[in-house]
Amino acid sequence: NAGVTQTPKFQVLKTGQSMTLQCAQDMNHNSMYWYRQDPGMGLRLIYYSASEGTTDKGEVPNGYNVSRLNKREFSLRLESAAPSQTSVYFCASRLGGENTEAFFGQGTRLTVV
Amino acid sequence: GENVEQHPSTLSVQEGDSAVIKCTYSDSASNYFPWYKQELGKGPQLIIDIRSNVGEKKDQRIAVTLNKTAKHFSLHITETQPEDSAVYFCAASPFSGGYNKLIFGAGTRLAVHP
Repeated sequence: NAGVTQTPKFQVLKTGQSMTLQCAQDMNHNSMYWYRQDPGMGLRLIYYSASEGTTDKGEVPNGYNVSRLNKREFSLRLESAAPSQTSVYFCASRLGGENTEAFFGQGTRLTVV
Repeated sequence: GENVEQHPSTLSVQEGDSAVIKCTYSDSASNYFPWYKQELGKGPQLIIDIRSNVGEKKDQRIAVTLNKTAKHFSLHITETQPEDSAVYFCAASPFSGGYNKLIFGAGTRLAVHP
């Protein structure tokens, strides 16, 4: 059982380049999330999708876009990467929005130079 | 929006001692409070959670308490072991967005020394 799968695991970008982080879950979950993790700042919510066809901004959405491609997949796009976007990115999913456990992927370590 | 504050940021204990991590939240309508453990190089994993209609929950050496009036909740680990060393995160699920969000605290790095 794969759970939540993120690709790639590591990425180095030059300032101004674009890229898409991919996330897929095989647990038939309705809600999916993108977080970034920076030292001393915990996990900050970038965007989330409560259900297929919907997306909403989280705490730090600037500089990012998302697509809920179908129920399984939720991608995060950086259109023009900046050094401030250097971080570890985690995708997560939950069965339903309320009172249910979130499962996390292994993370993508992104460095923007 | 919801704001979750977590203290302390680092905690060092001797093996066998207890460890307590505290969190406060701002949205009084939040109804779900999970705790996650993150080991080095891995994604966070749920260790225990509590819902707003419960004051305390235990699972072996781990317990969580919730005080809705004061809007704070705590994680208690008894008889700590070296394998408890990790980063711990609290989180809250606020009413805004239909309880679909999950907002995390800044984390506590726990070190258990043999």
